[in-house]
Amino acid sequence: GDSVTQMEGPVTLSEEAFLTINCTYTATGYPSLFWYVQYPGEGLQLLLKATKADDKGSNKGFEATYRKETTSFHLEKGSVQVSDSAVYFCALSGNTPLVFGKGTRLSVIA
Amino acid sequence: DTGVSQDPRHKITKRGQNVTFRCDPISEHNRLYWYRQTLGQGPEFLTYFQNEAQLEKSRLLSDRFSAERPKGSFSTLEIQRTEQGDSAMYLCASSRSGPLYEQYFGPGTRLTVT
Repeated sequence: GDSVTQMEGPVTLSEEAFLTINCTYTATGYPSLFWYVQYPGEGLQLLLKATKADDKGSNKGFEATYRKETTSFHLEKGSVQVSDSAVYFCALSGNTPLVFGKGTRLSVIA
Repeated sequence: DTGVSQDPRHKITKRGQNVTFRCDPISEHNRLYWYRQTLGQGPEFLTYFQNEAQLEKSRLLSDRFSAERPKGSFSTLEIQRTEQGDSAMYLCASSRSGPLYEQYFGPGTRLTVT
């Protein structure tokens, strides 16, 4: 079945550092890909998405590019802030239900 | 747009008791989903509805679990004869129909079975 593998955390970075969280997927067909974020004490929020190969999703300084050839959707941000501390989930939707990775906890220290 | 709401936010119950959770989706969304999230894991799909029809159920949804969406609006998830392994966060999400529409999540109901 469909699956998502993302890098294990926790990831600890200093403010203004570059962030990469790796995500690879296995799916039949052509899924849509998502990054969701869960801030402390809050519900899951969609951060960005891409619906076809070579699409780049972006939001709040975060970016991810749908790479069909490497089945990847890595999350990047050029300069993280303390407020980016959260758990990040990579997910795919081949049919309707979302399939999530295990999440990567990011802590940004000032 | 008031968002997806879930009630209760927290539930503590003793093993063997029945519990019921409610989800109110965004009003114009005709799809409603239930997921379960355990500590350190990503959410896992349980079931989803399009309007009042339950279209798919995960193998995670044992016979002790039942979900309804009687009028195509709010939904309930009932767990009968709870077990300690049922302790988790139960998430509800809603969306419009179609693969391009994102799912909006509620805050979740945290269940603790003692």
